[in-house]
Amino acid sequence: NAGVTQTPKFRVLKTGQSMTLLCAQDMNHEYMYWYRQDPGMGLRLIHYSVGEGTTAKGEVPDGYNVSRLKKQNFLLGLESAAPSQTSVYFCASRRDRAEAFFGQGTRLTVV
Amino acid sequence: QQPVQSPQAVILREGEDAVINCSSSKALYSVHWYRQKHGEAPVFLMILLKGGEQKGHDKISASFNEKKQQSSLYLTASQLSYSGTYFCGTWGGPIDQGGKLIFGQGTELSVKP
Repeated sequence: NAGVTQTPKFRVLKTGQSMTLLCAQDMNHEYMYWYRQDPGMGLRLIHYSVGEGTTAKGEVPDGYNVSRLKKQNFLLGLESAAPSQTSVYFCASRRDRAEAFFGQGTRLTVV
Repeated sequence: QQPVQSPQAVILREGEDAVINCSSSKALYSVHWYRQKHGEAPVFLMILLKGGEQKGHDKISASFNEKKQQSSLYLTASQLSYSGTYFCGTWGGPIDQGGKLIFGQGTELSVKP
């Protein structure tokens, strides 16, 4: 009963490098989300998806891209990492009219 | 567009009560409440839906005023385990905001012995 799984859990990038964060859920949820969490800022929505093949911008989408080719997976990409993208990233999923389930987070440091 | 939470922080003694408020500038379909311990993922507490439906924790209660676009979380007879950061999340519904679920900045709650 895995729930929501994020990989990797930790990563250090150099400025300008690219990477992809993977979120996988096994609950057949329609909605999936990527958030970033910085001290004092709460959880800020980067991008989200309401179903396979669809994505939409959240509150802080600049510098990130996403894809949802399969219903169970939601990928977050950083094409050219910047120090301002140092953060903890959380993925979440949910059904309509129901609560969200969160992954354990990815701690990303860009140096 | 982030919902606004108040207070930003609160310190309690074990057994005391607390109220955390959440308000939005947009019409709401549902309000979610989560608690996050340091270094961990947020954990679901309550969901309140337009029309009065609720689901959640049996020792924590909450209210949802649809007209005022506000929700409050009531923590009674607090325990040490209640310490953490509390977040409210708001959803405008499938028509207004699609699937967008956005969170407030959090309320840090500390319960002391």
